[in-house]
Amino acid sequence: EDQVTQSPEALRLQEGESSSLNCSYTVSGLRGLFWYRQDPGKGPEFLFTLYSAGEEKEKERLKATLTKKESFLHITAPKPEDSATYLCAVRPSGGSQGNLIFGKGTKLSVKP
Amino acid sequence: ETGVTQTPRHLVMGMTNKKSLKCEQHLGHNAMYWYKQSAKKPLELMFVYSLEERVENNSVPSRFSPECPNSSHLFLHLHTLQPEDSALYLCASSQESGLDDEQYFGPGTRLTVT
Repeated sequence: EDQVTQSPEALRLQEGESSSLNCSYTVSGLRGLFWYRQDPGKGPEFLFTLYSAGEEKEKERLKATLTKKESFLHITAPKPEDSATYLCAVRPSGGSQGNLIFGKGTKLSVKP
Repeated sequence: ETGVTQTPRHLVMGMTNKKSLKCEQHLGHNAMYWYKQSAKKPLELMFVYSLEERVENNSVPSRFSPECPNSSHLFLHLHTLQPEDSALYLCASSQESGLDDEQYFGPGTRLTVT
């Protein structure tokens, strides 16, 4: 069964304290892995797509990496405005059209 | 208006009511989606439309009825809902449903069934 597991469930950081969020997946084949950010009361906001192991993408203080079994979202010197829930989703190669399998998310809190 | 919009943002309805959720995308996309987001659970895909045709229905109860009159608009008609249907309902769109492109989400409708 295709599955996505995110850890930790919640993460509290001090401003400037770098850390990483983990997304582990088990799928029959991976067509793409997606990272989203979701603020309270809002819909998910697209961040990155990764397609193959070894691929990396960066945006401001965020950097996403991908291996054959997991993805990491590295946050460098976070600021309070980075506080949000970060969602990971995968699109299996054998999946039906448009089907994304989401993890439960990691809720990040950055204190000043 | 830009991106994906949803109305209403909040909805409280009784179990015997009939209501509809509306979604509109201003991105020129060809695929639209309905998701359900419940507390402590991952987003669940409900329906997928591509060029106004339904291409996916993930075993959703018949009390949820989608409608896609054109590629920019998507509705979710609700009737005789249960309290466990209370959740955030999210609409999304993408360029195509069969490609590996990203989906863009609306702000959601927070539904409470009493």
